[in-house]
Amino acid sequence: GENVEQHPSTLSVQEGDSAVIKCTYSDSASNYFPWYKQELGKRPQLIIDIRSNVGEKKDQRIAVTLNKTAKHFSLHITETQPEDSAVYFCAASKGGGGSNYKLTFGKGTLLTVNP
Amino acid sequence: DTAVSQTPKYLVTQMGNDKSIKCEQNLGHDTMYWYKQDSKKFLKIMFSYNNKELIINETVPNRFSPKSPDKAHLNLHINSLELGDSAVYFCASSPTGVNEKLFFGSGTQLSVL
Repeated sequence: GENVEQHPSTLSVQEGDSAVIKCTYSDSASNYFPWYKQELGKRPQLIIDIRSNVGEKKDQRIAVTLNKTAKHFSLHITETQPEDSAVYFCAASKGGGGSNYKLTFGKGTLLTVNP
Repeated sequence: DTAVSQTPKYLVTQMGNDKSIKCEQNLGHDTMYWYKQDSKKFLKIMFSYNNKELIINETVPNRFSPKSPDKAHLNLHINSLELGDSAVYFCASSPTGVNEKLFFGSGTQLSVL
């Protein structure tokens, strides 16, 4: 099955700096790569996703890049703010019915933005 | 409000007891899920249902039994609770279940004493 590795496990940055979180996946058939943000005591929420037919996607201060050849994808947050502090999860899945559709999550990155 | 709602939010119980967690979504989604988040924050899928049909059963002990009476509801019953079952359980839904955004419920913090 799919295996998703996520690094680093913790990341501390100063407000205004950029933060980068990296993930690798094992199944070359995976074609959907979402990122979820989970604030302390809250539910995970989708912040951005990318499909395998594009290499980069941007939404304001957040961007995701995908390298299908190397099987890795990254989350980039620019101009970080204290409210960006949370656990971020990457995930991967492939389309299809039955057990083929299973979103496999990385182990999460605790991002702390220091004022 | 349109949402995925699950109850209870907190569940404290003794080992060996049986408990249930309920989940409802009013988003009109076809697919619902149960995820378990352990103390290290690792999110792992347990079950997935599409239109009341079980499509993913991720080698979860058979003490865990999901039930979907209709596509808007997915409940989780746990028999003979063990200490290792302590975790946060999240219900989620997605429109059709194929590579789409997951909408999570607010979670149920289960503590087994």
